Amino acid sequence: SQTIHQWPATLVQPVGSPLSLECTVEGTSNPNLYWYRQAAGRGLQLLFYSVGIGQISSEVPQNLSASRPQDRQFILSSKKLLLSDSGFYLCAWGGVAYEQYFGPGTRLTVT
Amino acid sequence: AQSVTQLDSQVPVFEEAPVELRCNYSSSVSVYLFWYVQYPNQGLQLLLKYLSGSTLVKGINGFEAEFNKSQTSFHLRKPSVHISDTAEYFCAVSDLRGSQGNLIFGKGTKLSVKP
Repeated sequence: SQTIHQWPATLVQPVGSPLSLECTVEGTSNPNLYWYRQAAGRGLQLLFYSVGIGQISSEVPQNLSASRPQDRQFILSSKKLLLSDSGFYLCAWGGVAYEQYFGPGTRLTVT
Repeated sequence: AQSVTQLDSQVPVFEEAPVELRCNYSSSVSVYLFWYVQYPNQGLQLLLKYLSGSTLVKGINGFEAEFNKSQTSFHLRKPSVHISDTAEYFCAVSDLRGSQGNLIFGKGTKLSVKP
């Protein structure tokens, strides 16, 4: 069966520091992968999606970037965090009929 | 453009009462529809999905939803809720702009089940 992992689970970082969040999927090949953010009191915001290795599409302009160095690995990065980057970050992989399966999430607090 | 509207941001209900969480969508083409549940500090879990066929879809945890094409709705129902159903529920529709499998999510409905 398929499993999706995210780490770290929680992170507290100062403004201006770098960020790296990792997501890995097991049990499936060449999945579509997604990064979402949930800010307090707001819904889900799609940040990036990827249909294959090295293929990244950005949905919103921001100081975040994403990379997909391996088939089942998706990384979210930032060179300098802003206060507004605080939130709950979710990674997901896509099934064959548009359904998406989510990881446990990373709670990021920028101080 | 496609969109999803969840009409209620919060729904309080007593334990063992029935509940309906409303979802309407707009789209000029056929869509796939989904309901997800999110417990505090966890990821989203797929409750059920409508792809085609029977308009009444049954999901996990005793939930069901009915697809109504004429009213462009996909309301989620449960005949008798439990305290453990307290969570946030998201309705989603397939984004058919491309082949990336993207979903468009509603803003969520917080279900609060009281004893």
